[in-house]
Amino acid sequence: SYVLTQPPSVSVAPGKTARITCGGNNIGSKSVHWYQQKPGQAPVLVIYYDSDRPSGIPERFSGSNSGNTATLTISRVEAGDEADYYCQVWDSSSDPLGVFGGGTKLTVL
Amino acid sequence: QLQLQESGPGLVKPSETLSLTCTVSGGSISSSSYYWGWIRQPPGKGLEWIGSIYYSGSTYYNPSLKSRVTISVDTSKNQFSLKLSSVTAADTAVYYCARHNLIYGDYDPVLDYWGQGTLVTVSS
Repeated sequence: SYVLTQPPSVSVAPGKTARITCGGNNIGSKSVHWYQQKPGQAPVLVIYYDSDRPSGIPERFSGSNSGNTATLTISRVEAGDEADYYCQVWDSSSDPLGVFGGGTKLTVL
Repeated sequence: QLQLQESGPGLVKPSETLSLTCTVSGGSISSSSYYWGWIRQPPGKGLEWIGSIYYSGSTYYNPSLKSRVTISVDTSKNQFSLKLSSVTAADTAVYYCARHNLIYGDYDPVLDYWGQGTLVTVSS
């Protein structure tokens, strides 16, 4: 089955740029969605179809996807961005299967 | 504003069947634009997709759980449900229901609305 690999943790100072990667075999051929999850809360969609942003999500959040790596970029990081971030794709080699990365804990220093 | 709310027992005994219902309010479950599904998260761990259902009853399941999972829909009540049989402690998790939005028509949906989640513990 398809595997998505994320770094367990990323740390960044406030005001700097955080980049969270999501690796997968030829992931550039798939659409990647990103979810933010704060402690005790349900996940929230922050980026969909590689780089689209839902209404209400700050422009500081952006995404890209090419080759074997998708990236979630958070510019001008704020304390409130501290959360777990998950990438997700659909593996449609047979019936569609939702696949999540293992998650990345973003720590704002 | 669309809302999803999970309900069901918070404690299930080993070998029994876990049953949860997701009630959708603020929108129709019978829309052709959406599937409706379940995702779970063991304590301290990541997310696992369980499966999804269309209002017509068409389903997709995670192969790792397929032999034990049934997802059904009741359009008259605007609800869909999850049954997971023969549970073990490994099935202890927060279970979320979520709308799968078919934005571009084909099955590459976006999980754009989530319930708050409900913790189900498997223990005797």
